[in-house]
Amino acid sequence: DARVTQTPRHKVTEMGQEVTMRCQPILGHNTVFWYRQTMMQGLELLAYFRNRAPLDDSGMPKDRFSAEMPDATLATLKIQPSEPRDSAVYFCASGSSGYGSGNTIYFGEGSWLTVV
Amino acid sequence: AQRVTQPEKLLSVFKGAPVELKCNYSYSGSPELFWYVQYSRQRLQLLLRHISRESIKGFTADLNKGETSFHLKKPFAQEEDSAMYYCALVGGGTSYGKLTFGQGTILTVHP
Repeated sequence: DARVTQTPRHKVTEMGQEVTMRCQPILGHNTVFWYRQTMMQGLELLAYFRNRAPLDDSGMPKDRFSAEMPDATLATLKIQPSEPRDSAVYFCASGSSGYGSGNTIYFGEGSWLTVV
Repeated sequence: AQRVTQPEKLLSVFKGAPVELKCNYSYSGSPELFWYVQYSRQRLQLLLRHISRESIKGFTADLNKGETSFHLKKPFAQEEDSAMYYCALVGGGTSYGKLTFGQGTILTVHP
C-alpha cells in the first residue's frame, strides 16, 4: 500500500528556531505539493513541483519559507526563523502527471507544527 | 486563475436526511474536479472525481458546466459521514497540474 510519508508527525518548537519538514512521495509520482492547513484559512497551497522543478511557490512567504526537492524521493519544507503564526498542519501530497490523466493526488498524514 | 468556492463552512443534518455540499468553481478551460474527505485529525482522502463518475460511500457528484458547479450529494446521511469535505480542481495551461482547494465544509450528522 503506497503512501506519502511525512516527518516529523508532530513538532513543538520555540519562536526563532529553524523547522524542517520532510516528505517522501509515492515512488514514481512526479508531482509534489506542500499545503498548509489552519482553521482560519483552510488548505493553502504553498508550493508544488513537477519532476523536481518548482512550478509555483507563490503561496509561500519567501522571507522565511523555502521548499526544495533534493532528489525524486525527498521534498523538504523549511521555515527559518519560525513564528507562532506558522503553527499549522503541513501536508505533503504527490501525484502523477496531473491534468487530463485522472490520476489521484495522495496526501501524507501531515506534520503538526506548534511554534511557541 | 482557478478558484473553488464552498459557500457553507458548516452543515448539520440528521441521520437519514439527504445532504448536499455545494461547490462552485471558476476556471476558463475544462477542469478536473474532485471531492476529498478528511476525518478527524487524519489525512485527506480522495472521495470521488468527476472523470470516473463513480459513487463512493453513497456519495455522488455531477459536474454542471453551465452552472460551474460540482455539488456533492448523498440521499441518506450516516453518522460516520461527519467529516471535513473539500472540493478541489486541477487545471491545465499555465496552472498545469495545480490542485486548488475550496475552503472546506464541516459536515456533522446528528443521530
